[in-house]
Amino acid sequence: DVKVTQSSRYLVKRTGEKVFLECVQDMDHENMFWYRQDPGLGLRLIYFSYDVKMKEKGDIPEGYSVSREKKERFSLILESASTNQTSMYLCASSLQGSTDTQYFGPGTRLTVL
Amino acid sequence: DQQVKQNSPSLSVQEGRISILNCDYTNSMFDYFLWYKKYPAEGPTFLISISSIKDKNEDGRFTVFLNKSAKHLSLHIVPSQPGDSAVYFCAARAGGTSYGKLTFGQGTILTVHP
Repeated sequence: DVKVTQSSRYLVKRTGEKVFLECVQDMDHENMFWYRQDPGLGLRLIYFSYDVKMKEKGDIPEGYSVSREKKERFSLILESASTNQTSMYLCASSLQGSTDTQYFGPGTRLTVL
Repeated sequence: DQQVKQNSPSLSVQEGRISILNCDYTNSMFDYFLWYKKYPAEGPTFLISISSIKDKNEDGRFTVFLNKSAKHLSLHIVPSQPGDSAVYFCAARAGGTSYGKLTFGQGTILTVHP
């Protein structure tokens, strides 16, 4: 059974803190994605990675960076958290084919105070 | 600029009836469309997809229809069940897009009443 796990279900941070969100997949997938979900806006792509150490900006990369040192792990980094980054963060992975299904983790609800 | 739009934030249906969820898109380069379902406290799960070379795809109680000229797709659930109550996201992929990048709509909350 496919599995994408995220390090935390809930996280509360203060403005200005550096925040790390971790995602691990056990399916040997090449592609990994980070989205944020906000009411009325749906899922918006922040960054994605198609191979180890490779990354591409999504639609809303500002204020975020990513790291992929190992194939199974994709980290999202908020260098200096701000209140407008309070959101649900979802990680996904897929095989390298462009029509391959994306499998999602359960999400991390981040609150920045 | 919302390239994929789900204009109905919510839909309420009686058990056993048909649920119709709608999705409109603006990008003519989209050639592959998907529906995902999301329960509270869980990540979205893939439901059904359709390629632009087809106008219909069916999987059990779920059917997706694509009208390319109108840039519109819809998801039909027949018959609806209380367990179908969830948020439904429409997503689209542009032809030539690398790595399966998807653009999602805003989501529609479906509630099926017993």
